[in-house]
Amino acid sequence: NAGVTQTPKFQVLKTGQSMTLQCAQDMNHEYMSWYRQDPGMGLRLIHYSVGAGITDQGEVPNGYNVSRSTTEDFPLRLLSAAPSQTSVYFCASSYTTPGRTFGNTIYFGEGSWLTVV
Amino acid sequence: KQEVTQIPAALSVPEGENLVLNCSFTDSAIYNLQWFRQDPGKGLTSLLLIQSSQREQTSGRLNASLDKSSGRSTLYIAASQPGDSATYLCAAPQGGSEKLVFGKGTKLTVNP
Repeated sequence: NAGVTQTPKFQVLKTGQSMTLQCAQDMNHEYMSWYRQDPGMGLRLIHYSVGAGITDQGEVPNGYNVSRSTTEDFPLRLLSAAPSQTSVYFCASSYTTPGRTFGNTIYFGEGSWLTVV
Repeated sequence: KQEVTQIPAALSVPEGENLVLNCSFTDSAIYNLQWFRQDPGKGLTSLLLIQSSQREQTSGRLNASLDKSSGRSTLYIAASQPGDSATYLCAAPQGGSEKLVFGKGTKLTVNP
């Protein structure tokens, strides 16, 4: 059971380049989300999905796109990288959405370190 | 809007000490709250998930409580060990929505 798998682990981009951070889970989870973690800012929600074909914006969605064509995969696309997007990105998943009456354990990937120069 | 605060931001204790980490939240209309551990350079690992009906949850030396009326949760670590050194984060849903809000964490150092 692999859990939540993120690739790549490290990436350096030039300003203006685009790239996709991959996230896959093998637990048949409905809910998937992307966070970025910055010093002093904590974890901030970028985008989330409550099921295949359904996505929505989080707290800091600008400059990022997502899609959810399958239950397993939730890629995060940086459209035109900027130095402000230098951060550590985490993908997370859970069986149901966090706000449900009976919450479920949330599983995180190991993170993707992105530097934009 | 849900805001989650963790105090203190950092804590250093000698090995063997019992300690309490605090988490406060502004929107008490939550059904659950979760505590995580993060080691340097790693992802988050869920420690305890407390449902609002439970008020307390235990796992080994860890005990988490939830008081919705006061907007507070605590994580109690008994007989701390150097291996407990990590950053501990709490997270609460935003007003029954699909969004989860994290505190900034408490960095714990347990000295041998």
